[in-house]
Amino acid sequence: GDSVTQMEGPVTLSEEAFLTINCTYTATGYPSLFWYVQYPGEGLQLLLKATKADDKGSNKGFEATYRKETTSFHLEKGSVQVSDSAVYFCALSGHGGGGNKLTFGTGTQLKVEL
Amino acid sequence: GAGVSQSPSNKVTEKGKDVELRCDPISGHTALYWYRQRLGQGLEFLIYFQGNSAPDKSGLPSDRFSAERTGESVSTLTIQRTQQEDSAVYLCASSFKAGPTDTQYFGPGTRLTVL
Repeated sequence: GDSVTQMEGPVTLSEEAFLTINCTYTATGYPSLFWYVQYPGEGLQLLLKATKADDKGSNKGFEATYRKETTSFHLEKGSVQVSDSAVYFCALSGHGGGGNKLTFGTGTQLKVEL
Repeated sequence: GAGVSQSPSNKVTEKGKDVELRCDPISGHTALYWYRQRLGQGLEFLIYFQGNSAPDKSGLPSDRFSAERTGESVSTLTIQRTQQEDSAVYLCASSFKAGPTDTQYFGPGTRLTVL
């Protein structure tokens, strides 16, 4: 079945550091890929998405490129802020039959310090 | 506009009791999903509604779990004879359509604790 593997946290960075959170997936067909973020005390919200190979999703300075050849969707940000501290979830939604449900990774906690 | 809402936000119950969790999706969203997040784990899909029908119930962990949706709006997830392993945050999401590229918008969740 479909699965998502993302790097384990917690990840602790200093403000203005470069961020990479790795995400790889296994899926049949051509999934859509998502990054969701959960800020402390808040609900899960979409950060960015890409629906086909080589697409780049971007939002709030974060970006991720859908790499079919490496089945990856790594999240990057050039300069993190304290306000980026949150848990980040990589997810996929398959195309084809049953292509509606999201399959999530286990989440990566990011802590940004001054 | 209003987002997805869920109630109650917290529920503590005793083992063996039944519980009902409610989800109010974004108005006009035809698709509704239930997920579960156990401590330290990712979200697990439970069930998906298209309108009032549930084409995919594959994630329901046992026959103690059931869900319904009425009026293409509110959904209720019912857990009968709760067990301690049911303790988790139950999340509801809705999307305008049910396609794999459609963004799912999540509610704040219901934290269920089974003593």
